Amino acid sequence: DTAVSQTPKYLVTQMGNDKSIKCEQNLGHDTMYWYKQDSKKFLKIMFSYNNKELIINETVPNRFSPKSPDKAHLNLHINSLELGDSAVYFCASSSQRASPYFGPGTRLTVT
Amino acid sequence: GESVGLHLPTLSVQEGDNSIINCAYSNSASDYFIWYKQESGKGPQFIIDIRSNMDKRQGQRVTVLLNKTVKHLSLQIAATQPGDSAVYFCAEKANTDKLIFGTGTRLQVFP
Repeated sequence: DTAVSQTPKYLVTQMGNDKSIKCEQNLGHDTMYWYKQDSKKFLKIMFSYNNKELIINETVPNRFSPKSPDKAHLNLHINSLELGDSAVYFCASSSQRASPYFGPGTRLTVT
Repeated sequence: GESVGLHLPTLSVQEGDNSIINCAYSNSASDYFIWYKQESGKGPQFIIDIRSNMDKRQGQRVTVLLNKTVKHLSLQIAATQPGDSAVYFCAEKANTDKLIFGTGTRLQVFP
């Protein structure tokens, strides 16, 4: 019954590694997002996809690459992880002009 | 009362009292506003929204007020309960899919 699901929930890895976070939504929404929440709880949009097409790409390093194989999935791949990438990453989805529905988050810790 | 600490502003209220959480938004072109509640370890959860053609909207125990003149949004929670303890975010959207979040306010409810 989960509307927006993310895996894994926790991810601990070393600097320089490459990792992926997966996201799936079963709400039938056309738009999916990735948000980053830092240690001060500040939430910032990273990417937005509409029907598998990239719509929003904020000033995010090239090491971050979203991939949308279909409109129900939006994965986030991160290359060469850095300490500053440690954060909670939220996937979300929405229908047109509606409020995004957020997933449970993935806490990434880079050591 | 309301205080600004090293991290999130915090509002402490007694159970049963009404809470008012304030938010100043930045973009005069924003036409859609949302309040989210985020409990510890979870993703932001939609509470209530309002479009710019309205100045007040009521839900169950919650009311959102919008003052476009001074770019101010508030969330009123009636008869605050312990389960209302969380971080509350306002968010604004202009004519794009990009949702801009405010810094958040921590609501603490004490018996």
